Amino acid sequence: DVKVTQSSRYLVKRTGEKVFLECVQDMDHENMFWYRQDPGLGLRLIYFSYDVKMKEKGDIPEGYSVSREKKERFSLILESASTNQTSMYLCASSSPGRGRDGYTFGSGTRLTVV
Amino acid sequence: GENVEQHPSTLSVQEGDSAVIKCTYSDSASNYFPWYKQELGKRPQLIIDIRSNVGEKKDQRIAVTLNKTAKHFSLHITETQPEDSAVYFCAASIGDNYGQNFVFGPGTRLSVLP
Repeated sequence: DVKVTQSSRYLVKRTGEKVFLECVQDMDHENMFWYRQDPGLGLRLIYFSYDVKMKEKGDIPEGYSVSREKKERFSLILESASTNQTSMYLCASSSPGRGRDGYTFGSGTRLTVV
Repeated sequence: GENVEQHPSTLSVQEGDSAVIKCTYSDSASNYFPWYKQELGKRPQLIIDIRSNVGEKKDQRIAVTLNKTAKHFSLHITETQPEDSAVYFCAASIGDNYGQNFVFGPGTRLSVLP
């Protein structure tokens, strides 16, 4: 069973803090993604990565950065957290060509910035 | 770029009735269309998908239809049950890359009333 694990289920951080959200997948997937989910806006792509040390901006990268030093781990970094980054963050991974092509999502991290 | 619209945003049906959720996409090069179900507090899960070379696909009570000419695809759930209550997201691949990246619709909250 494919597993995508996000390190924290709930986080509360203060404005201006540097925040790290970690995602680990155990299925040797090439692709990894970070989305944020907000009511009425669906899933919006922040960043994605097709390979180690490779990253591409998604639709809403401002205020975020990412790191992929190892194939199984994709980190989302909020350099200086702001209240408008309060959201649910979902990590996903995929491996096109190996069976089903859809994503497998992590359980999500609900981040509150106060 | 790709844009995905989804309707309705909320849908209530009586148990045993059918539910239909419709999505439209803008990029004619999109060739893969997954549907995800997200129960309250849980991760989105892939429930069915369809490729552009197929017009319809069925899996027990769930079916998806695709009209490439009109650029729309629909999710059909028959004999609905309370456990079908969830938020459903459609998605379309960006360009002709199977599973490389998606644009998601905003979601439909389905409530099945006993």
